[in-house]
Amino acid sequence: AQSVTQPDIHITVSEGASLELRCNYSYGATPYLFWYVQSPGQGLQLLLKYFSGDTLVQGIKGFEAEFKRSQSSFNLRKPSVHWSDAAEYFCAGISSGSARQLTFGSGTQLTVLP
Amino acid sequence: SAVISQKPSRDICQRGTSLTIQCQVDSQVTMMFWYRQQPGQSLTLIATANQGSEATYESGFVIDKFPISRPNLTFSTLTVSNMSPEDSSIYLCSVVTGAGGTQYFGPGTRLLVL
Repeated sequence: AQSVTQPDIHITVSEGASLELRCNYSYGATPYLFWYVQSPGQGLQLLLKYFSGDTLVQGIKGFEAEFKRSQSSFNLRKPSVHWSDAAEYFCAGISSGSARQLTFGSGTQLTVLP
Repeated sequence: SAVISQKPSRDICQRGTSLTIQCQVDSQVTMMFWYRQQPGQSLTLIATANQGSEATYESGFVIDKFPISRPNLTFSTLTVSNMSPEDSSIYLCSVVTGAGGTQYFGPGTRLLVL
């Protein structure tokens, strides 16, 4: 079955520190992969997406993610975290053969310490 | 991308009543979806709203409980019927625009059932 896994339920980092949020996927073929962010009381905002090509994708707000086929991973990174980055982060995937079934990970809650 | 609005943004309802949530998109889109996000949980797809035909429901969701309308390519409604406290959730609509099936989400409707 297709799945997206976020192993970390909650991560705490200090402001200015680097960040890496983990995401692993299980699909028969290379999926399309996404990272979304949900700030408190808000909807989901698309941070970045990977379809094909360059495995390092740049997104909004200084985020980037690297697709690693050998590790079935699509980890989200940011070199220096800001207090406003505190939010819930969701990794999601969709089979390249489907335009419908977007599968979400369970989410990672990010806390940023001053 | 697309600009998506939802009404109402939040509501508090009594058990046994029904609430209709509206989703409006600023451009015509082929695919529109409804998701539920229960407290502290990830997103679960309720159904695909099909223009001109009945919605396609995911396992565990039925039309009698979550009737959906899609009268045109920019608008859809989701009704949560005969509500119970277990229906307290955030309900989000999303649309697919552009290549690769990228989904963009509305701000969500926060529902509390007493």
